[in-house]
Amino acid sequence: QQQVKQSPQSLIVQKGGISIINCAYENTAFDYFPWYQQFPGKGPALLIAIRPDVSEKKEGRFTISFNKSAKQFSLHIMDSQPGDSATYFCAASSNTGNQFYFGTGTSLTVIP
Amino acid sequence: KAGVTQTPRYLIKTRGQQVTLSCSPISGHRSVSWYQQTPGQGLQFLFEYFSETQRNKGNFPGRFSGRQFSNSRSEMNVSTLELGDSALYLCASSLNQGAQEKLFFGSGTQLSVL
Repeated sequence: QQQVKQSPQSLIVQKGGISIINCAYENTAFDYFPWYQQFPGKGPALLIAIRPDVSEKKEGRFTISFNKSAKQFSLHIMDSQPGDSATYFCAASSNTGNQFYFGTGTSLTVIP
Repeated sequence: KAGVTQTPRYLIKTRGQQVTLSCSPISGHRSVSWYQQTPGQGLQFLFEYFSETQRNKGNFPGRFSGRQFSNSRSEMNVSTLELGDSALYLCASSLNQGAQEKLFFGSGTQLSVL
């Protein structure tokens, strides 16, 4: 059973556009929500993370929006660039657990 | 500082064989986790080791096992390989134990079972 559901599976965006990837979870014990970025041939790398005490976190062109009541969070990439083309994974964990639960990934392609 | 190193980079095995994958964490990192990555399934947690002790195990059969050495290096073993074991196996290290830590991933070992 997938504890974190991610959509869409793939996304094509024009350069300069906004990329939006959504994730949903059921376990209310989750209290840490990171996003990882993976380029071909590389392992995932932490991009940005949020805790549920805030509804939004922004780092450069990357923003996480968090909706605790809906148990959803999303990654927004503003002014998308071809260099952003990668696979993005959302994840969730609880401070009482010992593992991350990852979404199934979104393959983002930014067209020049 | 060197990143997480996984060896070998690629492996081709046949059904029924066993395989051992190796992971060297970032210097000073004491926690090592292993994940299986397959298309459509994302990353599935295998197990985590901290100070040579397995702290947590995912929902994988007993054919998947691992260990951690005193220098924090870790190995993962898969016995009696099945076709479905074909995947990218990722190792991640973190400074301390716990699921709120930033994970540093290696580039993975691509295992193909024929």
